[in-house]
Amino acid sequence: GAVVSQHPSWVICKSGTSVKIECRSLDFQATTMFWYRQFPKQSLMLMATSNEGSKATYEQGVEKDKFLINHASLTLSTLTVTSAHPEDSSFYICSARDPIPRWDNQETQYFGPGTRLLVL
Amino acid sequence: KQEVTQIPAALSVPEGENLVLNCSFTDSAIYNLQWFRQDPGKGLTSLLLIQSSQREQTSGRLNASLDKSSGRSTLYIAASQPGDSATYLCAVSIKTSGSRLTFGEGTQLTVNP
Repeated sequence: GAVVSQHPSWVICKSGTSVKIECRSLDFQATTMFWYRQFPKQSLMLMATSNEGSKATYEQGVEKDKFLINHASLTLSTLTVTSAHPEDSSFYICSARDPIPRWDNQETQYFGPGTRLLVL
Repeated sequence: KQEVTQIPAALSVPEGENLVLNCSFTDSAIYNLQWFRQDPGKGLTSLLLIQSSQREQTSGRLNASLDKSSGRSTLYIAASQPGDSATYLCAVSIKTSGSRLTFGEGTQLTVNP
């Protein structure tokens, strides 16, 4: 099946620094990728929708200047947490939409393994 | 705004028991509903996807049903095993949102040997 990778899987940084997380679709071209955040024992909350070649669409309450999203190619989207603070510590998961129906004639989303961010 | 609720939040059962996880959603105009499994500290594994026109899907010991009109879905796990221990998430996408998924808060399942 289709695979989505994330890098890094784990990152620890000091408060005030910026952290970049990569999301790659390995065997399909993803025109749309999604970024989710998950706090401990909570569900996934959609942060933004990343469209290749255009600006990301952010969900209400998500600061676009703090969470910079770049989708420069059909296989790569990056999320940069700028000036990270301890409250940004979370599990960040991306997903990529495969526009070619593979399962029951429906588009499928594939999820990455997640990136755990700890800001000290 | 679509809201997804899962009950119970946590469930602990002895090995071999059959069990049912529940998911409800407020907007019945869904495109599809998916059930995922998440192991601690890991990403998501898709288990079953039910199209809006379908009523159920089966994969091995798993069976998911969908009643769109009442806004409910259930995930039935037969003959549970300790390896089934994980958090189970349901998620829906609605027609006007493309593939954006709205997730429930999950049911944390523990199957005791």
